[in-house]
Amino acid sequence: GAGVSQSPSNKVTEKGKDVELRCDPISGHTALYWYRQRLGQGLEFLIYFQGNSAPDKSGLPSDRFSAERTGESVSTLTIQRTQQEDSAVYLCASSSSPYYGYTFGSGTRLTVV
Amino acid sequence: EDKVVQSPLSLVVHEGDTVTLNCSYEVTNFRSLLWYKQEKKAPTFLFMLTSSGIEKKSGRLSSILDKKELSSILNITATQTGDSAIYLCAVAMNYGGSQGNLIFGKGTKLSVKP
Repeated sequence: GAGVSQSPSNKVTEKGKDVELRCDPISGHTALYWYRQRLGQGLEFLIYFQGNSAPDKSGLPSDRFSAERTGESVSTLTIQRTQQEDSAVYLCASSSSPYYGYTFGSGTRLTVV
Repeated sequence: EDKVVQSPLSLVVHEGDTVTLNCSYEVTNFRSLLWYKQEKKAPTFLFMLTSSGIEKKSGRLSSILDKKELSSILNITATQTGDSAIYLCAVAMNYGGSQGNLIFGKGTKLSVKP
């Protein structure tokens, strides 16, 4: 597609429920990244996919967080047993080369009540 | 540990003022420095800097990199209320770095009052 597409744009969920966030990167972009941004805070790296290489999961905050990507297409970020501190905007970005910056999606605003 | 530090964290100015935002970095295998503007959710790309001392300019915004001082500044002249946003600085490293080779600072929140 023309840009990075994320869905849903907003999600309100009850504490303890699982949620799944979706990212559709720009076609042909081999690299895909997930970031979390809490209110008033900077970007917090979560996970990075590069082609068919093993993902860099070093930023995932707990084992309740996981992400998948099939080839160079859609990625899903799953948060199990959501907690209130998971409330944030989750941003996805893709890139044809990490050296030239990323294109960000519009994000998913997750609110855990 | 690789890190990018931005200052100030927040700034309030009036329309017409000129502002300078700072970004300093300590990273291995530096490749380029990028500036993004974030108004709502999605950061949008402003500049990418790779060479020291060469100013990049776009309208009222300009930026320059100082590799000796490991820093960059983003200048905005004649600020407008539409410039209100979070300005993010990021450093891209050569392949082999962590976090997908791009480290973000925490951002500077700029508020421009009428």
